[in-house]
Amino acid sequence: DGGITQSPKYLFRKEGQNVTLSCEQNLNHDAMYWYRQDPGQGLRLIYYSQIVNDFQKGDIAEGYSVSREKKESFPLTVTSAQKNPTAFYLCASSTDSYSGNTIYFGEGSWLTVV
Amino acid sequence: AQSVTQPDIHITVSEGASLELRCNYSYGATPYLFWYVQSPGQGLQLLLKYFSGDTLVQGIKGFEAEFKRSQSSFNLRKPSVHWSDAAEYFCAVGQYSGTYKYIFGTGTRLKVLA
Repeated sequence: DGGITQSPKYLFRKEGQNVTLSCEQNLNHDAMYWYRQDPGQGLRLIYYSQIVNDFQKGDIAEGYSVSREKKESFPLTVTSAQKNPTAFYLCASSTDSYSGNTIYFGEGSWLTVV
Repeated sequence: AQSVTQPDIHITVSEGASLELRCNYSYGATPYLFWYVQSPGQGLQLLLKYFSGDTLVQGIKGFEAEFKRSQSSFNLRKPSVHWSDAAEYFCAVGQYSGTYKYIFGTGTRLKVLA
């Protein structure tokens, strides 16, 4: 089945550590996105990528980094510079980002700072 | 700035009753509009979408939505709610500014009474 796989589902991080969330898609989509979800705030865009080896900052990119070395993969690193990283993180993809297309989501990853 | 407003944070309905979830958007051009549903701790599942054409769109699980340009609204409806419909619902707009990005509302949490 085609879809978007995020791992791990749950992750605990000590303050000062970097962590990387994995996102893999087999939908052959060019565009991929990372969103952060906090209660009562909806989804906020962290980074997005339109094509391999290219990505742009979203609305809340500070303290995060990404890479897009392969079409299928768009990992998100939450760095120690992110002051309030505890949240639910959602990866998404769409056919491309140049025309209106449906955006599909993975199952999400919970990150908790302990 | 473009925005999506879901004025109801929480809605409670009895099983079998009708449902309407409100969504208003602010966007200059004809938008691409979406409704997603999210169960606790899960990703977002697409319910329906409007790109063009018939302003009344049918989706999965018996949901429908109507695009009203004059009111900048895209309300979600269901004639008879089932207990399994309890979840959080997000309205989203696809906006173009050199590339497509997706703006989400803050969500409406639906509770269904038996």
